[in-house]
Amino acid sequence: NAGVTQTPKFQVLKTGQSMTLQCAQDMNHNSMYWYRQDPGMGLRLIYYSASEGTTDKGEVPNGYNVSRLNKREFSLRLESAAPSQTSVYFCASSDGGRETQYFGPGTRLLVL
Amino acid sequence: GESVGLHLPTLSVQEGDNSIINCAYSNSASDYFIWYKQESGKGPQFIIDIRSNMDKRQGQRVTVLLNKTVKHLSLQIAATQPGDSAVYFCAENRSNSGYALNFGKGTSLLVTP
Repeated sequence: NAGVTQTPKFQVLKTGQSMTLQCAQDMNHNSMYWYRQDPGMGLRLIYYSASEGTTDKGEVPNGYNVSRLNKREFSLRLESAAPSQTSVYFCASSDGGRETQYFGPGTRLLVL
Repeated sequence: GESVGLHLPTLSVQEGDNSIINCAYSNSASDYFIWYKQESGKGPQFIIDIRSNMDKRQGQRVTVLLNKTVKHLSLQIAATQPGDSAVYFCAENRSNSGYALNFGKGTSLLVTP
């Protein structure tokens, strides 16, 4: 039981490049989330998926898109990366909206 | 604006002592609170949670206290160990916000021998 897994662990992009961050969970959770964490800050919600087939914006959605591929997988796409998107990205999952969220190990992204 | 905040950015304790990490929240609609531990280079790890119909909840070496009157919660760690050194975040979920967890900025706990 791996919990929440994320790929890649590290990525360096040039401004304007695109990439997709992958997330998968094996806990049969209905809800999945993408957060970003900037230095010295708490986590901020980018997008979430309450259940398979639905996605909703969080606090900081601009510059990102998401896809809930199936119940297990939830991807985050940066279409045209900007230096302001340099951050650590965490994926999380939970049984439902008001249940404990479990986090993956994170993807460290540097945009030059 | 509304926020979840922690009283101290850093806390240093000696091994074996008890640690208390505090958190304040401002929205009276907040009714579910979670404490996470984040070690360097890792994702947040669930420690303990509490819902607003409770004042206290205990886990293994940890206790969370919730004071709804003053909108304050605390995490107590008994017999603090070097492995407890990490950043601790409180997060809140509001009954009218559905799925969003609102995180504080974190308190860095350093356990010295």
